[in-house]
Amino acid sequence: ETGVTQSPTHLIKTRGQQVTLRCSSQSGHNTVSWYQQALGQGPQFIFQYYREEENGRGNFPPRFSGLQFPNYSSELNVNALELDDSALYLCASSLWGQGFYEQYFGPGTRLTVT
Amino acid sequence: RKEVEQDPGPFNVPEGATVAFNCTYSNSASQSFFWYRQDCRKEPKLLMSVYSSGNEDGRFTAQLNRASQYISLLIRDSKLSDSATYLCVVISGGGYNKLIFGAGTRLAVHP
Repeated sequence: ETGVTQSPTHLIKTRGQQVTLRCSSQSGHNTVSWYQQALGQGPQFIFQYYREEENGRGNFPPRFSGLQFPNYSSELNVNALELDDSALYLCASSLWGQGFYEQYFGPGTRLTVT
Repeated sequence: RKEVEQDPGPFNVPEGATVAFNCTYSNSASQSFFWYRQDCRKEPKLLMSVYSSGNEDGRFTAQLNRASQYISLLIRDSKLSDSATYLCVVISGGGYNKLIFGAGTRLAVHP
């Protein structure tokens, strides 16, 4: 177990609705990254948060937004859900610093948009 | 063109076989390279880092060719437990640890 937790594990939403996904990072980690994994694809980077600020963003529209809290946990919010948003959403926590620090993934939230 | 491309698979091999996965990346400024393993409906987990000098971890050997922008993973003496999807991953810098994943290659090891 990585110590990274996500909630909920599964979620079904209707097109046009809004959703909030949550992630608790591993103890001692200060950075959280979010990824979207569509069926049959590799994870795609959405954005990363460090010290409660967005620290890099992938090719996702503004309706994907996030937050990081003082305890380093994080939320991913998606507005105006589209069918193509159906995917596994993964968060990964790590330390920020020079060089590579391994990112530890949580078990993911499986979102279905109907 | 995708930033990281992999053999699509699936690879179906018998126990004990040797199997090789290939991966190419498009950004010559890429800095770090990895193989991740993802079991069905689970999260990805780091399998090993990849260095220009090549590195080995038990039955697994990874190689990097920067000139060709090519990464490989060799699995010897395949076990049933090796069945999973193997994801080639690149970090291209930009000041943050953005992992760029390939689509993955599925491996099925059968008795």
